[in-house]
Amino acid sequence: EAGVVQSPRYKIIEKKQPVAFWCNPISGHNTLYWYLQNLGQGPELLIRYENEEAVDDSQLPKDRFSAERLKGVDSTLKIQPAELGDSAVYLCASSVRDGSPLHFGNGTRLTVT
Amino acid sequence: KQEVTQIPAALSVPEGENLVLNCSFTDSAIYNLQWFRQDPGKGLTSLLLIQSSQREQTSGRLNASLDKSSGRSTLYIAASQPGDSATYLCAGLSSNTGKLIFGQGTTLQVKP
Repeated sequence: EAGVVQSPRYKIIEKKQPVAFWCNPISGHNTLYWYLQNLGQGPELLIRYENEEAVDDSQLPKDRFSAERLKGVDSTLKIQPAELGDSAVYLCASSVRDGSPLHFGNGTRLTVT
Repeated sequence: KQEVTQIPAALSVPEGENLVLNCSFTDSAIYNLQWFRQDPGKGLTSLLLIQSSQREQTSGRLNASLDKSSGRSTLYIAASQPGDSATYLCAGLSSNTGKLIFGQGTTLQVKP
């Protein structure tokens, strides 16, 4: 079984530039999550999808962050424009349904200079 | 608001020792609790998931317990090995909000 695939693994951009992250969940997993993880901290939820519907985006900074999950499979998270404080690891996870074990990708480490 | 705390933040033990990692949560309305392992530069790997109706779960040398009334979960690692060195995170799924809240993790080092 292929795991959750994220790309790119690393991204370095200058502030005010746009950036996008891509995630392909495990086949058959209906629930997809985007988390943000700062160094030494646990992940914090940005958005949760049930199929193609964003069911919890209450912690997504909508002035600069956007996400989509067209066709309820892979997903893209975008930041425009990026700020220095956005430097972190962005993790994607999926599960069969909400409440079942989460499977995480290896994350994208974003550095904003 | 659910808060999840893990103490200690770091732990170093000699190989072969049995150890316990602690996780406490403020909201007893918890649907389940999960324990994860994270290696440096990697994502999280699910170790054990305990439903609110369960008291414990076991997988190999790992045993996780859940006490909703006291707001605590523990992860017991038997006969620790250097390969167990990683950061261990617990996360509680709130029945009220549907949100999975993570602790900050305990970084474990097992010395040969």
